[in-house]
Parts: sequence; structure tokens; C-alpha cells
Amino acid sequence: GQNIDQPTEMTATEGAIVQINCTYQTSGFNGLFWYQQHAGEAPTFLSYNVLDGLEEKGRFSSFLSRSKGYSYLLLKELQMKDSASYLCAVRDGNYGQNFVFGPGTRLSVLP
Amino acid sequence: EAGVTQSPTHLIKTRGQQATLRCSPISGHTSVYWYQQALGLGLQFLLWYDEGEERNRGNFPPRFSGRQFPNYSSELNVNALELEDSALYLCASSPGGGTEAFFGQGTRLTVV
Repeated sequence: GQNIDQPTEMTATEGAIVQINCTYQTSGFNGLFWYQQHAGEAPTFLSYNVLDGLEEKGRFSSFLSRSKGYSYLLLKELQMKDSASYLCAVRDGNYGQNFVFGPGTRLSVLP
Repeated sequence: EAGVTQSPTHLIKTRGQQATLRCSPISGHTSVYWYQQALGLGLQFLLWYDEGEERNRGNFPPRFSGRQFPNYSSELNVNALELEDSALYLCASSPGGGTEAFFGQGTRLTVV
């Protein structure tokens, strides 16, 4: 099976930097994805990593280490609107290229 | 370009009834995924369709079923509704063999 783990909740201050970690266990890894989900809304795609290293996209960056089964999402210059849940998802070739989501991390940005 | 669309937005059913939820993927996308998200919980994988075939199924009872039509739109059917089926049902689409999946706004199903 697959096991994806994220912290349940995090709190940070407006303007700060926060790192949200994700660990996974799968034998058929074929990509890691980060989504943002505001309460009551659908998840929106943030980033995709399939090779080791850092992918930067504006204020958001995502890192992947396949050997460690580890990824993080880095949010810089936090804004109040960044308060949301952040979902880590793995695409697993052993499960027919299915997307499996972690439990999500609820981030609260305080003034 | 239109995104993933789901209908209805909200659905209220009584216990024991059947519910049908619909999803239209982004044009050109052949894969459709269905997820259940109960209040305050994570996304639980239900079903994956690609090119009209069911490719994978999550750990849900058989009363959760669906299909994908030749135009790649999809239907999720839930029979013999139970109170615990109350949740947000999300549909996502991706190109066949593609990378990220894009989500619709969801159907909020309430079973009373």
C-alpha cells in the first residue's frame, strides 16, 4: 500500500517563511504534487516534482528527494490569503498511475 | 478554456435513496478521478476512469459505482445512501499519461 504523512496543522506569521513537509512510502513512485485547498473549495494545483531537486514558482517552491521519500513545500512572504490546507499527493505506477493524497496540512497565517 | 465542471453543486437525499453525480473533464483530458472528502478529512480515492475503462478503485463498498462515457464525461452513482455518505465529492481530470490533475468545484451531498 501507500503511506503519505504530513503535519496536521501549522501556524506562521504574515511575511514569514514556512516549510510544510511530506513523507511517503511507495515502490512505484511517478511524481509528487502539491495542492492548495481553501475551506469549502476544490483543491488547486501548485507544483509537481518527478526528479530530485527544487522547483520554484514565484513565492512557492517544492523540493523532492526520491531516495528519502521526502518532499517539502516552501511558502515565502506569507500572506493572509495563504491560510488554507496544503495537500501532498503521490502518483503511483503500482496503482495504475493513480493519485493518492495525504491527509493535508492546515496552515494558519496570523497578522 | 472551460475547467472541470461538476453537477449538481448541492444534492440532498434521504437515507436509502440513490444519488447520481456528474463530471465533465477539461477538453482533451481522458482520465477522470473521483474522490470523497468528508467534513474536516482528507481526500479519499474512489474511482479512476481512463478511455472509458475503470482503471482503479478505492476501498469503498460496491454501492459506489460509476462509468465514463465516449466523450470522457463521467458519472458517479451511490446506491442505498447512508448518513455517512454525506461529503464533498470531487472530480478531477488529467490528460492520459499526463501529469497534474485539475479539480472541479465538487458536489456537496447531504444524506438526511
